[in-house]
Amino acid sequence: AQSVTQPDIHITVSEGASLELRCNYSYGATPYLFWYVQSPGQGLQLLLKYFSGDTLVQGIKGFEAEFKRSQSSFNLRKPSVHWSDAAEYFCAVGTSGSARQLTFGSGTQLTVLP
Amino acid sequence: EPEVTQTPSHQVTQMGQEVILRCVPISNHLYFYWYRQILGQKVEFLVSFYNNEISEKSEIFDDQFSVERPDGSNFTLKIRSTKLEDSAMYFCASRQGGGPQNEQFFGPGTRLTVL
Repeated sequence: AQSVTQPDIHITVSEGASLELRCNYSYGATPYLFWYVQSPGQGLQLLLKYFSGDTLVQGIKGFEAEFKRSQSSFNLRKPSVHWSDAAEYFCAVGTSGSARQLTFGSGTQLTVLP
Repeated sequence: EPEVTQTPSHQVTQMGQEVILRCVPISNHLYFYWYRQILGQKVEFLVSFYNNEISEKSEIFDDQFSVERPDGSNFTLKIRSTKLEDSAMYFCASRQGGGPQNEQFFGPGTRLTVL
């Protein structure tokens, strides 16, 4: 069965600093990988997704992620963090079956200092 | 922009009572999902629904749970006899089609509190 590990429960960065959130997955086939963001009181919003092709994926709000098959990783990055980026970030892997349900990591809470 | 909506935003119930959580998926979407997130834990898949039937379900989705699309717009999750451990945030999601390029869109969630 697939699984996702986000090793960092909580990360604090200063506004303007760079950010990298780690995600490792376990899945037998080619993974479909996603990053979602959840702000307080809000649902899960898709930041970006990877299915095939270019391993560096661009998303919304200036985020990008790089798929590394050899490391089973899909880390999320942003070169310069804004205060509005404070939220919880979830990495997820989708199944290849028709239902394509998602398996989520436990999330990383991002705090941005002024 | 179309979005998934959920009602109520917060539901408080007594243990043993039935609850129905409601969702309105995006109108041209064909796949529907329920997930839950117990406080401090991962978001977990409960069930997926396509073509008026369950397509996948997790071990969590036992006989106490059921889903329905009663009128072509709403998608409901019913818990027949709630337990304390059912307290969680429940998210509805919908997806347009079967291809992997079509992501799931999530609603804002319903916080269920079982007393």
